[in-house]
Amino acid sequence: GENVEQHPSTLSVQEGDSAVIKCTYSDSASNYFPWYKQELGKGPQLIIDIRSNVGEKKDQRIAVTLNKTAKHFSLHITETQPEDSAVYFCAARWSDYKLSFGAGTTVTVRA
Amino acid sequence: DARVTQTPRHKVTEMGQEVTMRCQPILGHNTVFWYRQTMMQGLELLAYFRNRAPLDDSGMPKDRFSAEMPDATLATLKIQPSEPRDSAVYFCASGPSGPSNQPQHFGDGTRLSIL
Repeated sequence: GENVEQHPSTLSVQEGDSAVIKCTYSDSASNYFPWYKQELGKGPQLIIDIRSNVGEKKDQRIAVTLNKTAKHFSLHITETQPEDSAVYFCAARWSDYKLSFGAGTTVTVRA
Repeated sequence: DARVTQTPRHKVTEMGQEVTMRCQPILGHNTVFWYRQTMMQGLELLAYFRNRAPLDDSGMPKDRFSAEMPDATLATLKIQPSEPRDSAVYFCASGPSGPSNQPQHFGDGTRLSIL
């Protein structure tokens, strides 16, 4: 199966600063990499995704980069706001419709 | 805003009881997934369906868990008999038709506690 590792497990940033979360995957055949944000008591919410034919994708303050050679991908959040505080999960599609998820990063934005 | 709907949101019951969790996928989505989330194991895929047919349930304990899609608007996950180790949050997700690299959209889960 696919093994997805995510770092760091916790991240505390000052409001307005940037946050970066990194993930690595093991299966070179993986071709789809979504990122989810989970708030307390809610389900994971898709915030951005990237496919293996693209190296970078941006949506307002959120960007994702993918390095297929190194098998790692990263989430970048710029100008962080208190509402960005949540748990973030990376994932990789490795077989048919299966997603393997990272262990999650708890992001805290300090006002 | 289309959403995946899960019921009940919370369930507390005693071990040995049957538990049924329900999911209404987003209208038009033809892939449905069941996940379990625990602190120790994170998010684990239990089973998934495409066009109501089960494609993979290898993540599910077969002796006590069963998943079905009686129709395109309803997916169910049953546990019988339930055990304390089944306590977790169970999520349903759905995705659109097309290639497998399509986004999955999650419901808000059923928080299950087995006493």
